[in-house]
Amino acid sequence: DGGITQSPKYLFRKEGQNVTLSCEQNLNHDAMYWYRQDPGQGLRLIYYSQIVNDFQKGDIAEGYSVSREKKESFPLTVTSAQKNPTAFYLCASSMAGQRTNQPQHFGDGTRLSIL
Amino acid sequence: KQEVTQIPAALSVPEGENLVLNCSFTDSAIYNLQWFRQDPGKGLTSLLLIQSSQREQTSGRLNASLDKSSGRSTLYIAASQPGDSATYLCAVMRSGGSNYKLTFGKGTLLTVNP
Repeated sequence: DGGITQSPKYLFRKEGQNVTLSCEQNLNHDAMYWYRQDPGQGLRLIYYSQIVNDFQKGDIAEGYSVSREKKESFPLTVTSAQKNPTAFYLCASSMAGQRTNQPQHFGDGTRLSIL
Repeated sequence: KQEVTQIPAALSVPEGENLVLNCSFTDSAIYNLQWFRQDPGKGLTSLLLIQSSQREQTSGRLNASLDKSSGRSTLYIAASQPGDSATYLCAVMRSGGSNYKLTFGKGTLLTVNP
């Protein structure tokens, strides 16, 4: 079945450590997105990519980095510069962004906590 | 800056009741409005997408309407069931430029009691 796979489901970070969250999709989608969700809050966009080897900052990119070397993969690194990383992280994908009649599809998320 | 508001924040109803969830947005220049469902600890599932030129979309017991000029959308759920219990999120895709980003509301937590 086609879909989006996020791993790991749970992740713990030590002080000063960088951690990487994985997101893989087999939907042949061009666009991929990373969101952060805090309790009782809507989703906030961290980074997005509309094509391989290109990505743009979202609304809360500070302390995060991404790469898009393959169409299927869009890993997110939470760096030590992100002082409040505890949150639920969601990856999404969609057909090319300009296909505005197509919805975004989401993975099941990674919950990141501080040790 | 686009802002999306969902009212109520939480709603509890008995099984079988028809209900309406509300979503409002501040900038009417949008490509589309999307409704999602989120179960606890899970990702989002797309329910309905209404393009800016459309007035409503239907899927089974769900009907979503869009009034772009007033910046409002409603999600109508008919004959609610306990399995409908979840958080419902609306999001708008602002038009103009080439970023095609979604802005989300905070959601409505729906509980349907047997």
